[in-house]
Amino acid sequence: DADVTQTPRNRITKTGKRIMLECSQTKGHDRMYWYRQDPGLGLRLIYYSFDVKDINKGEISDGYSVSRQAQAKFSLSLESAIPNQTALYFCATSDPPSATQHFGDGTRLSIL
Amino acid sequence: QQQVKQSPQSLIVQKGGISIINCAYENTAFDYFPWYQQFPGKGPALLIAIRPDVSEKKEGRFTISFNKSAKQFSLHIMDSQPGDSATYFCAASTPNLHINTDKLIFGTGTRLQVFP
Repeated sequence: DADVTQTPRNRITKTGKRIMLECSQTKGHDRMYWYRQDPGLGLRLIYYSFDVKDINKGEISDGYSVSRQAQAKFSLSLESAIPNQTALYFCATSDPPSATQHFGDGTRLSIL
Repeated sequence: QQQVKQSPQSLIVQKGGISIINCAYENTAFDYFPWYQQFPGKGPALLIAIRPDVSEKKEGRFTISFNKSAKQFSLHIMDSQPGDSATYFCAASTPNLHINTDKLIFGTGTRLQVFP
């Protein structure tokens, strides 16, 4: 089983819908991250959480919200989806002192 | 604001050749420089990383060269193989256990294709 699991793997939805992407991990890491990947733009940080009580905005948080339900679970929500949020979304975890981030296999989201 | 600039955007190399991907950074506080490898349908995975106290790090066919004065670092893949075909991301950060600034800043990625 994967250490970092993202659901769903693919999602097609319509403009204005509320969408939740879920991430769960079995690595026991405190730190979790949500990234967005777009062609030519690389990986951009949306939100990150260093423990259950800590939530921080990343580079591109507008239009997104997150919830850290437990150490192992970190969800990303799009309250009212718009077409330019069509992208590949990744969840990642890390555990200091290692700076290595461990990524899930992504959710491909298409908003029509 | 692009803090880590990566080039080229795409690279085509023949099997057995050398693949070179370059990155430049702006923030002199960065002290950790990893490279991530991503295969289609998968998330990025750490390939190799370097800290600025050394100028080069080698792991098998993969080498990072680091030039602190020029604020540049590069990934060299020797004897490139078709199985190396993937997207490569450089990144930089300032890992700190005590301050919530431990974030990776990624480059824009390089798609490498190695042909037989």
